Amino acid sequence: DAGITQSPRHKVTETGTPVTLRCHQTENHRYMYWYRQDPGHGLRLIHYSYGVKDTDKGEVSDGYSVSRSKTEDFLLTLESATSSQTSVYFCAISGGTEAFFGQGTRLTVV
Amino acid sequence: EDQVTQSPEALRLQEGESSSLNCSYTVSGLRGLFWYRQDPGKGPEFLFTLYSAGEEKEKERLKATLTKKESFLHITAPKPEDSATYLCAVRSRSGTYKYIFGTGTRLKVLA
Repeated sequence: DAGITQSPRHKVTETGTPVTLRCHQTENHRYMYWYRQDPGHGLRLIHYSYGVKDTDKGEVSDGYSVSRSKTEDFLLTLESATSSQTSVYFCAISGGTEAFFGQGTRLTVV
Repeated sequence: EDQVTQSPEALRLQEGESSSLNCSYTVSGLRGLFWYRQDPGKGPEFLFTLYSAGEEKEKERLKATLTKKESFLHITAPKPEDSATYLCAVRSRSGTYKYIFGTGTRLKVLA
């Protein structure tokens, strides 16, 4: 298995609170991604990174921010959580060919 | 705009009944087509990468093929353990390393 660890694996939070999800890799891959997965929508890209401190928006980036201060860590922050952000979040890494995914974080906003 | 469409949405097969899943795509220059398997509660697991029309890849009972407009995942004599959601993704030559996913095909193989 690719060395990807997501934390936490499960989280319940209240509307309006900030939430940070962490993705840690041990593969030294350049590219890192955050996706959300919802029924009927499949995997949708939130943000991605192509190097330390180099990030860009995906198709569903509103309400989310990211940071990558080290090669191995990619953080996703929900600035003020809303119920529409209840989802399963996946981190992925790539060395330039195929992507490998973490086990996911199930986030519930109540 | 890059787009991926998978069909059917769901498929039920009897054990041993071969079939194919379809992935149609439109991209501004294909930089790779990827197949993944996803089990409930888990992250997608990489299966195959295809780069050019005519290319084929095989793994156990699965074979992936690619044309200029679509890819097929052929499942030969499936077993119940092949039950999963199969995802297709593409990456384009638009200058970025984004992967665009289809919504998947949920496969159920009955014993």
